[in-house]
Amino acid sequence: QSALTQPPSASGSPGQSVTISCTGTSSDVGGYNYVSWYQQHPGKAPKLMIYEVSKRPSGVPDRFSGSKSGNTASLTVSGLQAEDEADYYCSSYAGSNKSVVFGGGTKLTVL
Amino acid sequence: QVQLVQSGAEVKKPGASVKVSCKASGYTFTSYGISWVRQAPGQGLEWMGWISAYNGNTNYAQKLQGRVTMTTDTSTSTAYMELRSLRSDDTAVYYCARDIAARAWDYWGQGTLVTVSS
Repeated sequence: QSALTQPPSASGSPGQSVTISCTGTSSDVGGYNYVSWYQQHPGKAPKLMIYEVSKRPSGVPDRFSGSKSGNTASLTVSGLQAEDEADYYCSSYAGSNKSVVFGGGTKLTVL
Repeated sequence: QVQLVQSGAEVKKPGASVKVSCKASGYTFTSYGISWVRQAPGQGLEWMGWISAYNGNTNYAQKLQGRVTMTTDTSTSTAYMELRSLRSDDTAVYYCARDIAARAWDYWGQGTLVTVSS
C-alpha cells in the first residue's frame, strides 16, 4: 500500500480538463511544499511535470498545473491531448530521514 | 545536454548482490544529488535513497537500510547503487535521477532491469 493515495484511474475527452488528487498526511504533503508530479508512458522513464507543488520545469506545457490544500495535492491537466494519456505519480518529501513517499499512480485515459 | 546513462540488465540469484552504475554528463556532477528509484513489474515507484555527489552524504529508505549502499566517483561522474541479499521481490527496473529540489528529479536514466530468480 502506497503512502500517498491517488485514484487508480481518471479520464477525459480531448480539450477537457481533468484533476488528479494525491492525499497524504501532515507528515508529508501537508507538512512541506515539496510535492512533485511525474508522467510515465509505458516502458519509459518518468518525466517531471510539477515540482514544489506548482512549479513547472522548462519545457512542460502550461496546460499542466499543480496545487495543494491541506494534506491533498492536485494535478490539473487542461486542454487534454492524446499524448497526455499516461500514468501519473505524485511524490512528497516526508521529512523523516529526508525520505520521499509516492502515490500509487493514476492511469489517465484520453477518451 | 544532460544525460544519465545506466548499466545494462542483470540477472541474479537470490542472496546475491547487484551494483548498478549511472554515468552523468552535460552538467557539473558535484552540483546535484542523485536519487535511486525502483519500479517492480506493473507496480508503482519506490524511492530507495539519495546521495550527495558533492560530499557523499546519503539517506536511505528505511526498508532498505543495511542492504543498500550508494556511492559516487566524481572522477568519472558516475553514481553507483549496490543492493545485497537480493530477494525475488527486488526484481524491478532501477532508475537513477538528478535531484533538483528536496527530492524532485528532472533528469532520469533509462532504467536498469534487475531480475532476481533461482
